[in-house]
Amino acid sequence: DIQMTQSPSSLSASVGDRVTITCRASQSISSYLNWYQQKPGKAPKLLIYAASSLQSGVPSRFSGSGSGTDFTLTISSLQPEDFATYYCQQSYSTFTFGPGTKVDIK
Amino acid sequence: QVQLQESGPGLVKPSQTLSLTCTVSGGSISSGSYYWSWIRQPAGKGLEWIGRIYTSGSTNYNPSLKSRVTISVDTSKNQFSLKLSSVTAADTAVYYCALGELAPAANYYYYYMDVWGKGTTVTVSS
Repeated sequence: DIQMTQSPSSLSASVGDRVTITCRASQSISSYLNWYQQKPGKAPKLLIYAASSLQSGVPSRFSGSGSGTDFTLTISSLQPEDFATYYCQQSYSTFTFGPGTKVDIK
Repeated sequence: QVQLQESGPGLVKPSQTLSLTCTVSGGSISSGSYYWSWIRQPAGKGLEWIGRIYTSGSTNYNPSLKSRVTISVDTSKNQFSLKLSSVTAADTAVYYCALGELAPAANYYYYYMDVWGKGTTVTVSS
């Protein structure tokens, strides 16, 4: 089974900050990596698929990069609505989610 | 715009079978290159993928749950369902259904889930 890790597990940031979240796979997954945003009490929302493709309707301040085992999600300028938990998910071999990164207000 | 709605008992007794249904509206469950997934999330914890079913009826399951899970589709009702047998307190969670899409890649397909239901809470307790 492919295991996913994320770092940090949580971070505090201010509006306008550039935020980077890292996701690592236990083996190479090429670009089969998705990112989701989840707010409390809500279902996850797809942000990025195929490591770097922005889902329709998602603001361009979100971007994804990486391939193989190491991936990043970057928020170029954090907005109030971006405080949430972010999950990576591999789709190379069925699906596995990372443990999540909680972004809260500094 | 496709929408999904989970339904089923909110309370299940230990050792019994959890049964949930996801109703698809705004589109046909049997059209397009889609697949349909179940995901769960214990309170305060992360997401766990349970399994998926394609419009063809073929399925894939999380290896850690495979022996207890069955996902099926009823095209006449535009629904797909989850059955999880021999439940314990560890199966208490919010259960989500989701629509998945496939995008062509060089040698495979990129899988992602872009429409989710709102989730339904299931508690396993006597």
